[in-house]
Amino acid sequence: DTEVTQTPKHLVMGMTNKKSLKCEQHMGHRAMYWYKQKAKKPPELMFVYSYEKLSINESVPSRFSPECPNSSLLNLHLHALQPEDSALYLCASSQGITAASGNTIYFGEGSWLTVV
Amino acid sequence: DAKTTQPTSMDCAEGRAANLPCNHSTISGNEYVYWYRQIHSQGPQYIIHGLKNNETNEMASLIITEDRKSSTLILPHATLRDTAVYYCIVRAGGTSYGKLTFGQGTILTVHP
Repeated sequence: DTEVTQTPKHLVMGMTNKKSLKCEQHMGHRAMYWYKQKAKKPPELMFVYSYEKLSINESVPSRFSPECPNSSLLNLHLHALQPEDSALYLCASSQGITAASGNTIYFGEGSWLTVV
Repeated sequence: DAKTTQPTSMDCAEGRAANLPCNHSTISGNEYVYWYRQIHSQGPQYIIHGLKNNETNEMASLIITEDRKSSTLILPHATLRDTAVYYCIVRAGGTSYGKLTFGQGTILTVHP
């Protein structure tokens, strides 16, 4: 089982709204990730959590706020977004953050976000 | 991390083998070669990875040249459902964080 579940699949929000994207995995993975993918572009890393602590922030604007409540859950809180933030947001997980054998990164199906 | 170069697009007939090349001439000794694919509107799907030796699993085979400067992903019997963007990624090994950085990838179109 290599399933990473993301909800909602689609979200439309106004620029003054506050919303959250959710991600869940039950593979016992201790590393979780958020990626952003604009149309016709490759995915880009946003955040990395390792053992529920934020390890890497790829200079993401503060209107994106990640949260890892426990080892199975990862949230992305959204506030005061701009239309250019419309994209596919991908969650992923792996056993660990190194590329050692067994630390393959598995992705969810993504959440499509439209900011109006 | 080392950069990769892939053809922008490729075609393949259904039932034939699809051979997707990737150049990674600046790869260092502890860097892995990973392959993912992304079918339209879905999340990236892990296919296979390797360090030095050739690898095979139920989805594909990965052939890495002896000097490790290039590799080829082989889908032995392509189907229409294999139409996707295929990403070749070099990922740092060792004990430090191994970032997965996606390039532009190869758009593989499998036709009847």
